[in-house]
Order: sequence, then structure tokens, then C-alpha cells
Amino acid sequence: AQRVTQPEKLLSVFKGAPVELKCNYSYSGSPELFWYVQYSRQRLQLLLRHISRESIKGFTADLNKGETSFHLKKPFAQEEDSAMYYCALGAASGSRLTFGEGTQLTVNP
Amino acid sequence: GAVVSQHPSWVICKSGTSVKIECRSLDFQATTMFWYRQFPKQSLMLMATSNEGSKATYEQGVEKDKFLINHASLTLSTLTVTSAHPEDSSFYICSAIGTRISYEQYFGPGTRLTVT
Repeated sequence: AQRVTQPEKLLSVFKGAPVELKCNYSYSGSPELFWYVQYSRQRLQLLLRHISRESIKGFTADLNKGETSFHLKKPFAQEEDSAMYYCALGAASGSRLTFGEGTQLTVNP
Repeated sequence: GAVVSQHPSWVICKSGTSVKIECRSLDFQATTMFWYRQFPKQSLMLMATSNEGSKATYEQGVEKDKFLINHASLTLSTLTVTSAHPEDSSFYICSAIGTRISYEQYFGPGTRLTVT
């Protein structure tokens, strides 16, 4: 069974501080992992995909298969990063996604 | 590009009536669409996967006869909540996968259903 855990429902940091949003997963096969973001009153949108290994808006995420983690990091948080972040797990490209509970990030001025 | 719309954005209906929610991919063809349900301050829970021209695949615990899904074309999927009850009140979100970028799900803005 697929499962995604985001241990922090709320995370608050100050502008310019580093931020890490945690995500752990449980899956017996080879996972595809994603981070989705939902800004206030907007729809969910893809932020990162682990296979692409790129940095979007200063965010990066590394898949650690040993620790079954896919934590999202940014060295210097900005106020506009305040949003709801969801970690999601898929079995393969184009397959159904299992979402974590989400972490509400607030970046204070 | 890759815009998904939902209609209506919100709907209030009486208990016992049926409600249809539309999900459209506006500028791409969607081979697969997904329907999610989201309760307040909770995560998205997948209800069903809908492939164009075939029957939807429902997740465990989701009543097929209650939540009817039709994916008649490559740009339209509908979710009908039949004989709605107050416990069906929720936020329903659809997403679509296009033919060009198969891994990315594009999400609709959601539909708020309130059953009185």
C-alpha cells in the first residue's frame, strides 16, 4: 500500500531563514515523488518532480530511498512562499497519486 | 497552457437530489482524469480514475452508484453525486493528464458542494 506522511501540519519561519518541509513515504516498488503547492485561493500546481532533479523557485528536494524521504528545502524563505505544500507519491508516470496531509508554510516578515 | 476548468465552482442542493460537476481540459486532450475529495483542512483523497471511453476505476470505499463518473470525450469528465446527503458536502477537485506530458496532473479549481 502507498502512504505519504507529512509530520508537520503547520510550519512557520522568518523571511530569509532556511526551511525544510518533511515528507516520508511507504511504497514497495520504485516510487515517483512530487511536491505540489497551493497558494491562497488558487488551484493545486506541481512544484517539483524527483526525477527532474531541478530547482523551482529556489526549492529542491532529494529522494532518499534509504530513509524513504523526499524532504523539500529552500535555503532562504520568502514571504511569497507562504502556501500549502503537499507531498505526493505515484507508482509510475501518469498513475494515481497518493497525497500527504499537507504542510501549511507561513513565512513571516 | 494546460488549463483545467470545473463547473460549477459552488453548488447548494437539497438532500435527495442529484448534482453534476463538470471537469474540462481547455487546451489539451486528457486521456486520464482523476476525481478527488477534500474535507476542510484535510488532504485530497482520490475517489476515482477516469479514462476516456472506459469505465472509471473507483478507490476502495467509494460507492460507484453514488458517485457516477462519465468520461465521454478527451476534454470532458463529469461526476454526478446521486441522492446527495449532507455528509456528501465537500470540496470536489478534478485533475487531468495530457498526452504530451504524461506525469503531470493539472488540477481544476474545485467545486464546493453543500447539501442541505
